[in-house]
This record gives sequence, C-alpha cells and structure tokens, in this order.
Amino acid sequence: DQQVKQNSPSLSVQEGRISILNCDYTNSMFDYFLWYKKYPAEGPTFLISISSIKDKNEDGRFTVFLNKSAKHLSLHIVPSQPGDSAVYFCAASARGGSNYKLTFGKGTLLTVNP
Amino acid sequence: GAGVSQSPSNKVTEKGKDVELRCDPISGHTALYWYRQRLGQGLEFLIYFQGNSAPDKSGLPSDRFSAERTGESVSTLTIQRTQQEDSAVYLCASSQNNEQFFGPGTRLTVL
Repeated sequence: DQQVKQNSPSLSVQEGRISILNCDYTNSMFDYFLWYKKYPAEGPTFLISISSIKDKNEDGRFTVFLNKSAKHLSLHIVPSQPGDSAVYFCAASARGGSNYKLTFGKGTLLTVNP
Repeated sequence: GAGVSQSPSNKVTEKGKDVELRCDPISGHTALYWYRQRLGQGLEFLIYFQGNSAPDKSGLPSDRFSAERTGESVSTLTIQRTQQEDSAVYLCASSQNNEQFFGPGTRLTVL
C-alpha cells in the first residue's frame, strides 16, 4: 500500500509560469513533509520541508502548502525556470523518535519549456 | 567535496553472486539510511543506523540483505545470492537532524 502518492507522473509548464506539484498521504502519523529534487544519475537534493504544525512554508521561488485535514500537500514554483526541470519527490516522516526514515512518493517529472 | 559518497557508482553482477555497496556519510552525521529505487518507483527505505547500531531494519526485503556501520562512519550494504529483482539504484543518506543528504547512488544490475 502506498502511503505517499504522487498521482501525476509528469507535468509540463512554460518558463515564467507557476508549477504546482501535488502529493497525498494516508498515514496520520506523518508529521513532517519534504520535497526533494532529483536530476538523472544524481541523488535526491533537499528542496523544502514543512512541519505538520504549519500550513505554509516559503523559500524563494518555492512554497509548500499543507492541508492536514485533506492529507494533501503541494509544491508551488513561481516563476518556473528551465533549470527546474527534474523529478520531484514528495516524502514524509513520523518523527516519534530519532528515526526520521522517509516514505517517498513515486515522483513527478517536471519539464519547464523555454 | 564534503557530501555523501557511494561506491561503486555502477555494479553489474551475475545472479547468485554476492555484492557489497559502500557509503561514506558526511562527517559527524550520526544517522545513516539506506534506500533503494527500482525502475519507475519511489525510494524504498531499507535500514536506519544511529551511530553503529541499526534500530530499524524493517525495510530489508529478505535475509539475503544485511548492512553494517563502523566507526560511526562508513556503512556497507551486502546482498548475498543476488536475484534479478535486486536490480535497482541503492541510495545512502546521512543526517544530523531533519534533513537527509543523499549520495549519488549505486546502480546495481543483476543479469
């Protein structure tokens, strides 16, 4: 059973426009959410995170929104740039102790067209 | 650089052989994680180390998989009697708190 779901395998947007990547989760114990970006042949790179006590976190062009009641989060990239083209993974953890193992979605391939 | 490194970057092996994958975490990071990514899938958690102990091995798919960590540093993931379904990218991450830093991964192909 997939506890973290990214239902869109791919997304294509025009440079300068907004990219919105979505993620749903099922495990109520998750209390920390992260977005990672991955280029081919490289490991995932941390992008932005949000704790379940917040509903929004912003870092430059990247904003993550969390809707706990809907068990849904989204990543907004504004404005999108061609260099943002990569696979984006949503991940979640339940920080009960010191084990912050992450549960990942399958990823969304974002293509930003010049 | 001071990032997480993994070796080898690629490994091709024959079914039934044993393989060892190595991870060098960021210096000072006490937590170390192994994940794998099979084709078209997300990353799957395998095992977590805190220091040299592994309090969570729940993601290891079978007893053919084992891992150890020494000196609160280097970790080795060993797969015995490899099978074709073991083919994947194996990723290591280290952390000091919430954020995990990933290595580039080892692409394992079992023929």
